Amino acid sequence: AQTVTQSQPEMSVQEAETVTLSCTYDTSESDYYLFWYKQPPSRQMILVIRQEAYKQQNATENRFSVNFQKAAKSFSLKISDSQLGDAAMYFCAYRSAGSQGNLIFGKGTKLSVKP
Amino acid sequence: DSGVTQTPKHLITATGQRVTLRCSPRSGDLSVYWYQQSLDQGLQFLIQYYNGEERAKGNILERFSAQQFPDLHSELNLSSLELGDSALYFCASSEYGGLAEKLFFGSGTQLSVL
Repeated sequence: AQTVTQSQPEMSVQEAETVTLSCTYDTSESDYYLFWYKQPPSRQMILVIRQEAYKQQNATENRFSVNFQKAAKSFSLKISDSQLGDAAMYFCAYRSAGSQGNLIFGKGTKLSVKP
Repeated sequence: DSGVTQTPKHLITATGQRVTLRCSPRSGDLSVYWYQQSLDQGLQFLIQYYNGEERAKGNILERFSAQQFPDLHSELNLSSLELGDSALYFCASSEYGGLAEKLFFGSGTQLSVL
């Protein structure tokens, strides 16, 4: 079965600095998708970034980028120029045919941003 | 705003009761997913519908059931409620349910069973 592990329950970053959130996953499949979702205090689940496993190029969305290491089964999220609005829970998620096409989430990392 | 609407936002009820959670997907989306978020279990997939038909089932209890109606809205029915059913229930939608598609989440229904 596929699993997703986020080893950092909490992280803290100074405003305008850079922070990296870690995620590892376990799968025997070669075709899958990886996601980072943000959940602010409003509880809304917001898609931050998506990575296709067949693409070697790391995905980037403005200040958010990933470091995708397929062989190591690692998918970390880098947030540059952190802003107060980035404070939230961040969830790493996996999706594949083997997961019945549904998202398997990690336990989440709570990110605090200090002014 | 994701375009996915969930009602009600909050629900407080007693053990043994039955409740219905409602979800309206984004315009044009045919696939609806239900997820449960609790402190001890995290985010878990419950069930998926595509154009009115059940497509996939996850860790959904037998006391729980769902359906998707012809107008594509979906309802999640929870019966014989227990204290442990207290959680945040999310609905999400996507166009066809394909692997590459993004899932758009509603803001959730917070269920409290007292």
